[in-house]
Amino acid sequence: EVQLVESGGGLVQPGRSLRLSCAASGFTFGDYAMHWVRQAPGKGLEWVSGINWNSATIDYADSVKGRFTISRDNAKKSLYLQMNSLRAEDTALYYCAKGIRFFDWLLDSWGQGTLVTVSS
Amino acid sequence: QLVLTQSPSASASLGTSVKLTCTLSSGHYNYAIAWHQQQPEKGPRHLMKLNSDGSHTKGDGIPDRFSGSSSGAERYLTISSLQSEDEADYYCQTWGTGIAVFGGGTKLTVL
Repeated sequence: EVQLVESGGGLVQPGRSLRLSCAASGFTFGDYAMHWVRQAPGKGLEWVSGINWNSATIDYADSVKGRFTISRDNAKKSLYLQMNSLRAEDTALYYCAKGIRFFDWLLDSWGQGTLVTVSS
Repeated sequence: QLVLTQSPSASASLGTSVKLTCTLSSGHYNYAIAWHQQQPEKGPRHLMKLNSDGSHTKGDGIPDRFSGSSSGAERYLTISSLQSEDEADYYCQTWGTGIAVFGGGTKLTVL
């Protein structure tokens, strides 16, 4: 069974940084693309960033480009999101998600999310 | 520009069927999508991958009551024999060059 467990969320002041982690199990992590998706309170899902299996392809939403960095460690079966220069509008529940084999940017498994609150 | 359009809300009675629609923007009619369900206060759950020809692959444990179909720019999710736990938000999702895209979601109310 695929399991994705996010951690690292919390309350942070505007302009500060935070690093999210996602621990994966139940599948061959190194074979799949991985993503971060967020959901602001009361809003819909917003894709944040994706990384393919060997980190050769990395994409970001325009809203986070230049501030967020996605990375992965296949040996540790972990996905990361380094978030810098945080803004109030980054407040959201952040989900880790797995890509579909051969359709990297389609998602087929989700974690339960970690909450990031940006406020002074 | 790649855009997915969904109606904000839908409703249907317990035990009946409902068909939700996701519309792809012009020039993207051959794109596959994924359907995801988000029950209240829960994380999303993948329902299926749906191809432009209507063939679909459902996620693990997804009941037979959930099915998908396609016609041109439209991608459909049909839920039959509606149950109370089907009351949820439903999102379609696809990808383009350098991005993944979600529709705005449809809130399904089971009457």
